[in-house]
Amino acid sequence: SAVISQKPSRDICQRGTSLTIQCQVDSQVTMMFWYRQQPGQSLTLIATANQGSEATYESGFVIDKFPISRPNLTFSTLTVSNMSPEDSSIYLCSVEDLPGGAWAEAFFGQGTRLTVV
Amino acid sequence: KQEVTQIPAALSVPEGENLVLNCSFTDSAIYNLQWFRQDPGKGLTSLLLIQSSQREQTSGRLNASLDKSSGRSTLYIAASQPGDSATYLCAVGGGTSYGKLTFGQGTILTVHP
Repeated sequence: SAVISQKPSRDICQRGTSLTIQCQVDSQVTMMFWYRQQPGQSLTLIATANQGSEATYESGFVIDKFPISRPNLTFSTLTVSNMSPEDSSIYLCSVEDLPGGAWAEAFFGQGTRLTVV
Repeated sequence: KQEVTQIPAALSVPEGENLVLNCSFTDSAIYNLQWFRQDPGKGLTSLLLIQSSQREQTSGRLNASLDKSSGRSTLYIAASQPGDSATYLCAVGGGTSYGKLTFGQGTILTVHP
């Protein structure tokens, strides 16, 4: 299993500002993922972050709005830029351990609850 | 595009009941299916992972089954307890990008004493 720490756990931000969310894993992992959970909704994948390459964004999400860094195999950041109230959500970091190339269990951090006012 | 549906959307039961949560998916070409639990305002806790070659997995009072050909999974909770109250999410892994999960909308479970 993997233990994931996310910071901050929650924040209230002014519109037009940016927030950077950190995700730290207790072991080296190949793939890290960022999800968004809007109020009352399920999770939607924002992007996949691989170390040493550009993040891959899903349809509807762009790098200018959600820049991602992945400097090493245990850490990633997601920035929510130029925030508006519509960005109020829980943002979650996830990892999958892929031993031997097999699909394995996904683990999630505790999430960052963002409120934009 | 994969779509995941969970039924029912909400369920309220008295303590001690056995219950079944349902999950269906449209594209049977999945690699795995995972059930999660989410407490209000919190992250996700993995409950059970079923690989595409498996039919079921068990952990304590939980049993999950997978019928890939029909695109269905069920999560069976035996002898429910108030501490089981949470949102239960089903997610399938598959598609062109390794590791991507597609989530259902979840079932909100309330177990009352």
